[in-house]
Amino acid sequence: AQSVAQPEDQVNVAEGNPLTVKCTYSVSGNPYLFWYVQYPNRGLQFLLKYITGDNLVKGSYGFEAEFNKSQTSFHLKKPSALVSDSALYFCAVTKRGSWGKLQFGAGTQVVVTP
Amino acid sequence: DAGVIQSPRHEVTEMGQEVTLRCKPISGHDYLFWYRQTMMRGLELLIYFNNNVPIDDSGMPEDRFSAKMPNASFSTLKIQPSEPRDSAVYFCASSPRGQGDSSYNEQFFGPGTRLTVL
Repeated sequence: AQSVAQPEDQVNVAEGNPLTVKCTYSVSGNPYLFWYVQYPNRGLQFLLKYITGDNLVKGSYGFEAEFNKSQTSFHLKKPSALVSDSALYFCAVTKRGSWGKLQFGAGTQVVVTP
Repeated sequence: DAGVIQSPRHEVTEMGQEVTLRCKPISGHDYLFWYRQTMMRGLELLIYFNNNVPIDDSGMPEDRFSAKMPNASFSTLKIQPSEPRDSAVYFCASSPRGQGDSSYNEQFFGPGTRLTVL
């Protein structure tokens, strides 16, 4: 079975400071990992994914994530947060042969204050 | 491309009524997913299709829920009869077919249908 944990319901950060949103996963075999963002009253938008290769993945809007196999983590990071980054962030996991069936985490609300 | 299109955007109905939610996936995408989002349960996968064929409907909560995909450009999710606990935001998403394993392709979400059952 696949599972994802996002240990923080909310992350508060001041604009200009680094932002980190945590994610750990559990899956048998090699994982495919994703981050999505949801703005109010909108559908989820894809940010980035890890499939294989370089553990540091760069995505949209200046976000990046680091895959750590030993810690089974895939934390999302941004060096300098913007007020417009305030949104709900979801981590998701799947694996080869799963027909794209994603297991989503509960989501982390990010609040960036001016 | 207009992206994934869902209709209606908002639906308010009374308990016991039939509700039909509609989705038009992105042209050329082979996978279609239906999700439900609530505060209590988060984002749940209800059912998904590959080339119009249902692959996994294990997330459909009960027999009151049914989904169809009569062609590559249209899918419906029906609730009959509806109950207040069905109130949620329902998302449709589509994903392209990749070369080999398609599990690594990102999903493109529609704007959602906010359903309120009174």
